[in-house]
Amino acid sequence: QKEVEQDPGPLSVPEGAIVSLNCTYSNSAFQYFMWYRQYSRKGPELLMYTYSSGNKEDGRFTAQVDKSSKYISLFIRDSQPSDSATYLCAMRLQGAQKLVFGQGTRLTINP
Amino acid sequence: DVKVTQSSRYLVKRTGEKVFLECVQDMDHENMFWYRQDPGLGLRLIYFSYDVKMKEKGDIPEGYSVSREKKERFSLILESASTNQTSMYLCASRSQREKGKEGFFGEGSRLTVL
Repeated sequence: QKEVEQDPGPLSVPEGAIVSLNCTYSNSAFQYFMWYRQYSRKGPELLMYTYSSGNKEDGRFTAQVDKSSKYISLFIRDSQPSDSATYLCAMRLQGAQKLVFGQGTRLTINP
Repeated sequence: DVKVTQSSRYLVKRTGEKVFLECVQDMDHENMFWYRQDPGLGLRLIYFSYDVKMKEKGDIPEGYSVSREKKERFSLILESASTNQTSMYLCASRSQREKGKEGFFGEGSRLTVL
C-alpha cells in the first residue's frame, strides 16, 4: 500500500464547475499538507499549504485536511481552462525534510 | 522572484555514459532535493541535501550519486546511465527556516537513455 493515494484520473469537467480533488494517506503522523499544480512540461508549483487540520482558502481554491479520516481535498470553484493541469498532493512529517507525493490527478477544464 | 534553474531541459544519452544534471537556486535555501517523475509512479525522491557537502539517500538512490559543494548548487550524477533511468528529473529547494515555503521546483530535465 502506498503511503499517499491519489486517483490519477483523468478528470474532465466543464468550465465553471466546482472541482474536487482528493488524497488519502496511511501515516497519521503527517502534519504538513500541500497541493501542487503542474502544467505540461513544467515543474510543480506550490498552490496550497496547510499545517495540521482545517481549511484554508485562497481565491478560488480551498484546501481541507481531515486528519481523523486521513483525507485531504482541494476544491476549485468557478474552474477555468487555465486550471487544466496535473494536481499533486504532498505531505510531510514534523521535523522531516522529505515530501511524500501522491501520484497526481490530471484535470482538464473544457471551455 | 525565487528561482530554481536546471541546466538542461532535454538530454539524450547512450547506455553507459556518465550524466550530470545540475541545479542552482538563488534563494539561499538550506535544503535541496532531486526527484524523478514517471507516469503512474508520481515523484520519487532520489537524494536530498540539508547543507553543503551533506547528503541523504531518498527512496530510490541506486544508480545515482549527488554533489553539493556550494549552497546554491546541487548536482545529480548518473555514473553509468541505463535505459531504466529514462525519466523526468526534478530539482527542488526548500527553506528550513520559513514555514509554508514547501518546495520550489525547477522546470525539469527530461533524460532519454538509448
